[in-house]
Amino acid sequence: TQLLEQSPQFLSIQEGENLTVYCNSSSVFSSLQWYRQEPGEGPVLLVTVVTGGEVKKLKRLTFQFGDARKDSSLHITAAQPGDTGLYLCAGAYRDDKIIFGKGTRLHILP
Amino acid sequence: SAVISQKPSRDICQRGTSLTIQCQVDSQVTMMFWYRQQPGQSLTLIATANQGSEATYESGFVIDKFPISRPNLTFSTLTVSNMSPEDSSIYLCSVDPGGGLDSDTQYFGPGTRLTVL
Repeated sequence: TQLLEQSPQFLSIQEGENLTVYCNSSSVFSSLQWYRQEPGEGPVLLVTVVTGGEVKKLKRLTFQFGDARKDSSLHITAAQPGDTGLYLCAGAYRDDKIIFGKGTRLHILP
Repeated sequence: SAVISQKPSRDICQRGTSLTIQCQVDSQVTMMFWYRQQPGQSLTLIATANQGSEATYESGFVIDKFPISRPNLTFSTLTVSNMSPEDSSIYLCSVDPGGGLDSDTQYFGPGTRLTVL
């Protein structure tokens, strides 16, 4: 069974703090996506990483794909209340299958 | 990217009835997907609906319960048949504009929130 584990499941921190969310698997992915989902809406794509070791930045968000393409991290600097939401990672396999992690529910306290 | 709309956005249905959810995309795409997201959970793939072929269902999902139509490259429907309270969930459609040829990135609709009484 292919599994994609995210940690932590829940995170509540103060505005201005930094945080890192992790996504891990024993399988190698051809690509990995990070999504953010707000209540009542569908997931919105944040980034796709494809190359092992790749780092992408989106304003205060930094995404890293592990060298072996089995894991990824999302780091948020100086978190703001607008960052609150469910963060999902999704790994794509070469047979076009995509699996989603269970998500990290992030709450930023003002 | 792709812009995706779904109808209805939410519905409350009686046990034993059926609901058809529509998904409209603003561009032609080969690969469309239907997911279920139960309360507090992540996304579970129900089926892949490629235009010109029968939908491919994932383990635990069958055509009699979740019939899918894909009449053209911009539209699909998912029907939840003979509903029970266990079917209460958010149903999401998504597309892969790259057709699986690039990074397999999917774009999602806003979802349909279904409550079965």
